Amino acid sequence: GAGVSQSPRYKVAKRGQDVALRCDPISGHVSLFWYQQALGQGPEFLTYFQNEAQLDKSGLPSDRFFAERPEGSVSTLKIQRTQQEDSAVYLCASSYSLAVGNTQYFGPGTRLTVL
Amino acid sequence: KQEVTQIPAALSVPEGENLVLNCSFTDSAIYNLQWFRQDPGKGLTSLLLIQSSQREQTSGRLNASLDKSSGRSTLYIAASQPGDSATYLCAVSPSNFGNEKLTFGTGTRLTIIP
Repeated sequence: GAGVSQSPRYKVAKRGQDVALRCDPISGHVSLFWYQQALGQGPEFLTYFQNEAQLDKSGLPSDRFFAERPEGSVSTLKIQRTQQEDSAVYLCASSYSLAVGNTQYFGPGTRLTVL
Repeated sequence: KQEVTQIPAALSVPEGENLVLNCSFTDSAIYNLQWFRQDPGKGLTSLLLIQSSQREQTSGRLNASLDKSSGRSTLYIAASQPGDSATYLCAVSPSNFGNEKLTFGTGTRLTIIP
């Protein structure tokens, strides 16, 4: 009965480094979402996958952010040339489908600190 | 652009009291509204989901109402307990996409005083 898992839980990067954040959704869940949560704020949508297709990436803040889900299961969010403003908790969520009443199940998040 | 506001930002009440958390949104064209709970260092846990056609949902001591036309929702917690201490977030999904792309409020940090 595993939920959504994310790794690493904490990441410290020097400004300019590249980072990769991993999300393992609940087995069988079709939809996968990434959110960014700054300190004291609510999560903000970044991007969304249905299986391996990235259907919406309108929330990605810049072209330094890239997400993939090549086999329709595990997803990776990559941030290139990290900046201090990228410091936040990155949350991953999955849902079974887009059917009415399906909720999103969230992972514990990865806290990224850029020095 | 949809904006979600939660008031108050923080709330402290003695154990056993009933309380109400408020959420308002600017665009009434929503598919559903959800209330989540977030504990420090942990992800979000969905508490209640209200479809746009519904008025309220109940789960145990929790009751959430939705007035879509006025852009408001409330979360009522009865007989509060110290374990209810957490940050509560409301989120809406747009009507043209279904259950995706949630827009969150900034949350209410609730502290129940034993």
